[in-house]
Amino acid sequence: GQQLNQSPQSMFIQEGEDVSMNCTSSSIFNTWLWYKQDPGEGPVLLIALYKAGELTSNGRLTAQFGITRKDSFLNISASIPSDVGIYFCAVSGGGADGLTFGKGTHLIIQP
Amino acid sequence: DTAVSQTPKYLVTQMGNDKSIKCEQNLGHDTMYWYKQDSKKFLKIMFSYNNKELIINETVPNRFSPKSPDKAHLNLHINSLELGDSAVYFCASSQSSREAEAFFGQGTRLTVV
Repeated sequence: GQQLNQSPQSMFIQEGEDVSMNCTSSSIFNTWLWYKQDPGEGPVLLIALYKAGELTSNGRLTAQFGITRKDSFLNISASIPSDVGIYFCAVSGGGADGLTFGKGTHLIIQP
Repeated sequence: DTAVSQTPKYLVTQMGNDKSIKCEQNLGHDTMYWYKQDSKKFLKIMFSYNNKELIINETVPNRFSPKSPDKAHLNLHINSLELGDSAVYFCASSQSSREAEAFFGQGTRLTVV
């Protein structure tokens, strides 16, 4: 099946630092997304990307859809304690066939 | 006024039992899904339903069966539970015009003993 390679697997950072994570695929996808999961909760959509090369921001979060349509990155600026969680990249193949998720990046912030 | 709600939140049961997890969405979406998250947090699609029609089934054992009485509900029935079925199951929904933008429930942690 389709596979997304997400890295890093985990990040230990200090509050206030910037964070960067990325996701790659061997296949082309027309929609890339970034979700965040807090402990005990379901994933929540952060950013959806629909155009190759598109750069989209949501507050301190910025995500880009790679020009080849095979990758995406997510940046978080000036991290705060509530940014802790698991960040997932995901792709949609189109149609009602659900999402394929990366394995997640665990973000841990040290005070 | 929860958008996607699933019950129960926790379910502990013995091997061999049959159980159901319920899901309801009040977003007016036309597509609903079930995902499984394993102990390593890997999320994988199990089923999706669009207008009461099963769209995909990703190599899920036939002990698992989704049932949708109406567009707002997609329940998951599991027969003859096995230890390996222990996981967190998430219901989600989306609108077909923006099907990638899914809203997830809080999850049901199933433990089979």
